Amino acid sequence: EAGVAQSPRYKIIEKRQSVAFWCNPISGHATLYWYQQILGQGPKLLIQFQNNGVVDDSQLPKDRFSAERLKGVDSTLKIQPAKLEDSAVYLCASSFDPAGGTDTQYFGPGTRLTVL
Amino acid sequence: AQSVTQLGSHVSVSEGALVLLRCNYSSSVPPYLFWYVQYPNQGLQLLLKYTTGATLVKGINGFEAEFKKSETSFHLTKPSAHMSDAAEYFCAVSGNTPLVFGKGTRLSVIA
Repeated sequence: EAGVAQSPRYKIIEKRQSVAFWCNPISGHATLYWYQQILGQGPKLLIQFQNNGVVDDSQLPKDRFSAERLKGVDSTLKIQPAKLEDSAVYLCASSFDPAGGTDTQYFGPGTRLTVL
Repeated sequence: AQSVTQLGSHVSVSEGALVLLRCNYSSSVPPYLFWYVQYPNQGLQLLLKYTTGATLVKGINGFEAEFKKSETSFHLTKPSAHMSDAAEYFCAVSGNTPLVFGKGTRLSVIA
């Protein structure tokens, strides 16, 4: 079974530029998550999708971050414009259970973003 | 609100020694508790989870954790450390909120 795929693996941009990350979850997984992991900290949930609807985006900085999951499969996360404090690893995860909850989340390898 | 505190950002043990990584949680509802491991430049992998039932949970790679409600703890243990256990370990809690992670504990194993 293929795991969660993410691209690119690394990205370096200058502040005020825009950037997009892509995630393809495990086939058949209804729930998709985007996390931000700042160096030295645990992952923090940015947004959770159930199929193609948003379940929770309370911690997404909506003035600069956006995400979509068209057709309920793959997803993109965009930052525009980027700030220095956006430097982090962006992790995508998916789970089978449409309700999320206690179901195991499977993580992709992440995209390491450096903002100069 | 739910939160997790991992005591010790870095733990170092000798190969073959006991591994003990500490996790305390705060939750206003019955918690679901998880331990994840992260190897360098990789995503997180689930080690074990507690939802309901037996409080001693066994996971992969010889790890186990015990849910102690009275102590609000979910410490991770392994009887004998291997070099391959060197990684970052994260405790997480969920319940009526999405998964909330601790800051992580980096485990070093000395030969």
